[in-house]
Amino acid sequence: EAGVTQSPRYAVLQEGQAVSFWCDPISGHDTLYWYQQPRDQGPQLLVYFRDEAVIDNSQLPSDRFSAVRPKGTNSTLKIQSAKQGDTATYLCASSWIYEQYFGPGTRLTVL
Amino acid sequence: QQKVQQSPESLSVPEGGMASLNCTSSDRNFQYFWWYRQHSGEGPKALMSIFSDGDKKEGRFTAHLNKASLHVSLHIRDSQPSDSALYFCAASSNMGYKLTFGTGTSLLVDP
Repeated sequence: EAGVTQSPRYAVLQEGQAVSFWCDPISGHDTLYWYQQPRDQGPQLLVYFRDEAVIDNSQLPSDRFSAVRPKGTNSTLKIQSAKQGDTATYLCASSWIYEQYFGPGTRLTVL
Repeated sequence: QQKVQQSPESLSVPEGGMASLNCTSSDRNFQYFWWYRQHSGEGPKALMSIFSDGDKKEGRFTAHLNKASLHVSLHIRDSQPSDSALYFCAASSNMGYKLTFGTGTSLLVDP
């Protein structure tokens, strides 16, 4: 069974640039999560979906971050104007019941 | 203030030894706990969940939960070099949909 896939694996950009991260969850998983993991810290939930609906986006910096899951399958997380403080690994996870399966993440560096 | 604290921050054990990791929550809404392991360059992977007071054993891993003190521990017996990784405790008020991760423990198993 294929796991959660994410792309790109790495991204380097200047402050003010935009970047998008893409996630393909495990087939059949209805719930999809996006986490931010700063270096040497635990993952922090940004937003999660059940099918195409946003269930909780209370931790998403809404002025610059956005996330969509239009058909209830793949998802995109976008940062409009990146800041150095956004440097982190962005993890996508999916679940069917309650165990979350994580992808390898996208490591973002903002210079 | 972190709602889920882990100790120690780092731990070194000899191959074949016992590793003991601790986790304490400050939020009484958290009733469901998970242990995740993350190897370098990978996403976290669930090791085990524990939802009831007492011990839960899965192979070389044993978790212990005390809901009254909101304390959960993980014990790894017969530690292997492949167990060297970051270990995260994660807590939830709804079994697993919205996880709050702890600060992490870095485990090194010396061959």
